[in-house]
Amino acid sequence: GDSVTQMEGPVTLSEEAFLTINCTYTATGYPSLFWYVQYPGEGLQLLLKATKADDKGSNKGFEATYRKETTSFHLEKGSVQVSDSAVYFCALVPGSARQLTFGSGTQLTVLP
Amino acid sequence: DTAVSQTPKYLVTQMGNDKSIKCEQNLGHDTMYWYKQDSKKFLKIMFSYNNKELIINETVPNRFSPKSPDKAHLNLHINSLELGDSAVYFCASSQQPIGRGNTEAFFGQGTRLTVV
Repeated sequence: GDSVTQMEGPVTLSEEAFLTINCTYTATGYPSLFWYVQYPGEGLQLLLKATKADDKGSNKGFEATYRKETTSFHLEKGSVQVSDSAVYFCALVPGSARQLTFGSGTQLTVLP
Repeated sequence: DTAVSQTPKYLVTQMGNDKSIKCEQNLGHDTMYWYKQDSKKFLKIMFSYNNKELIINETVPNRFSPKSPDKAHLNLHINSLELGDSAVYFCASSQQPIGRGNTEAFFGQGTRLTVV
């Protein structure tokens, strides 16, 4: 079945460090891929998305590139801030499905 | 104004009780969802309604019953609560059922249910 695998957390970084959170997927057809972010005490918010191979999604300094050959959608940011501390979820919508399938989430803590 | 709002935010109750969680969206969306987030932050869809019609019904105990009185509301009723029901429950909505042409869902803040 369709699934998303994220790197295990928690991840702790110092401010201005480089961030990578790995995400790989298994899906039939050509899924759309997403990163959602959950700030403390809040619901999930869409961070960025990519709908076809080689697309790059970007928002708030975060980027992720849809890599069909490696079935990956890794999240990156060049310089994290304390305010980026949150749980990050990789997700997909398979070609024919009508729901989001989420990864297990990665807790990021950025220290000043 | 909050786009997707859930009540209550916290709910502590004893085993065996019946409880409801309410959800309302003011985005004019046709589709609403309930997700369950376990203690390891894993999110799993439970139900989805489109224009008050049930379109997704994942394998959940039949103690869980969604009700959609209109397309702006999707409530979740849980009978005979068990310890394993403790989790954070998220309501979400989207313009239409999620698919390739419509892919953004908006989430509420969650309801933390604790069964003791």
